[in-house]
Amino acid sequence: DAEITQSPRHKITETGRQVTLACHQTWNHNNMFWYRQDLGHGLRLIHYSYGVQDTNKGEVSDGYSVSRSNTEDLPLTLESAASSQTSVYFCASSVTADVDEQFFGPGTRLTVL
Amino acid sequence: GDSVTQMEGPVTLSEEAFLTINCTYTATGYPSLFWYVQYPGEGLQLLLKATKADDKGSNKGFEATYRKETTSFHLEKGSVQVSDSAVYFCALRSGNTPLVFGKGTRLSVIA
Repeated sequence: DAEITQSPRHKITETGRQVTLACHQTWNHNNMFWYRQDLGHGLRLIHYSYGVQDTNKGEVSDGYSVSRSNTEDLPLTLESAASSQTSVYFCASSVTADVDEQFFGPGTRLTVL
Repeated sequence: GDSVTQMEGPVTLSEEAFLTINCTYTATGYPSLFWYVQYPGEGLQLLLKATKADDKGSNKGFEATYRKETTSFHLEKGSVQVSDSAVYFCALRSGNTPLVFGKGTRLSVIA
């Protein structure tokens, strides 16, 4: 079955380190998204991509970057991790931007000490 | 910009009680509206949707009606079960843009 996976599921890192969170989907979806989930804030959009070589900033993009070199993957990089980036990160994908449903991965819990 | 406001939680109900979770939105144009559900330890999954005014979305006993005049999309269920305990998110999409989510409402149903 097609799916969307995230790795690692849990990560503990130190302030200032570079961290990359992986997102892989096997649906061949054009669109991929990264969100962070924090208590009191719900889900906030970090970055998104509508296709290979396309990336766009979301609401809370500072300190994060993405690159899209193929259809299946959209890795999220924290260039220099900060304690404020401790959160649960969700990746999602959809066929096109106009299609209703986004499919979500299981999430990555990141702790920055 | 577009935004979604949903009622603060947590909401605690007894089994078989009636559920309403309020959601209102601000958007330009005519957005599509969604409810997503997040069960403990999982990602979000689509619960129901409505793409135009007066549409009713329904799934698993949950319903929500797209009310353009009140800019609302309230989620209702006539008789909740313990298995409905989750976080519920209202969301909208206007045109070719990513989903915009509300902050979520945690529902706990006790037997």
